[in-house]
Amino acid sequence: KNQVEQSPQSLIILEGKNCTLQCNYTVSPFSNLRWYKQDTGRGPVSLTIMTFSENTKSNGRYTATLDADTKQSSLHITASQLSDSASYICVVSAKYGNKLVFGAGTILRVKS
Amino acid sequence: SAVISQKPSRDICQRGTSLTIQCQVDSQVTMMFWYRQQPGQSLTLIATANQGSEATYESGFVIDKFPISRPNLTFSTLTVSNMSPEDSSIYLCSVELMLSYEQYFGPGTRLTVT
Repeated sequence: KNQVEQSPQSLIILEGKNCTLQCNYTVSPFSNLRWYKQDTGRGPVSLTIMTFSENTKSNGRYTATLDADTKQSSLHITASQLSDSASYICVVSAKYGNKLVFGAGTILRVKS
Repeated sequence: SAVISQKPSRDICQRGTSLTIQCQVDSQVTMMFWYRQQPGQSLTLIATANQGSEATYESGFVIDKFPISRPNLTFSTLTVSNMSPEDSSIYLCSVELMLSYEQYFGPGTRLTVT
């Protein structure tokens, strides 16, 4: 069964600190993996998309890694800001059928 | 990129009634999708809105409950019919651009059924 699991479920960090969110998946055959940020009351916004051949991708203070062999990904946030408080969702796309498999998300709260 | 707007942004409805949600995209797109996000949950795909033909529904979702229209490449509607409190969710429209993996989401419609 295609699944995406994220950890931790929630996280509280101090402003300026770094954090890493984890994503494990069993989706096969794999096409790409995406990280989205969803602010409260808004739709998800794409942070990164990685295909099989990419093992790291950055978008400002966000850096995603992908290990396609172990089917794991991480999202590292550097020098966190209050505006980083949101839900971060890992989404994996299967190669056929154009279907996305969503993780449950990690709720990040950055406090001052 | 694509800019997506949804109407209404939120609504409170009585059980047994129906609500139609509109999704407008600023460019022509091939793929349009409707998702549901229940409180504290991640997104669940309801259906793919096909231009000029019937929508393709996911398991657990039926046309009688969630009729979808897509009259052209920039607009779609989702109706939530005969609502019950269990339909209280955020409903999101999404589009995927041609020749791109990118999927863009609308701001969502927050529905509360009393």
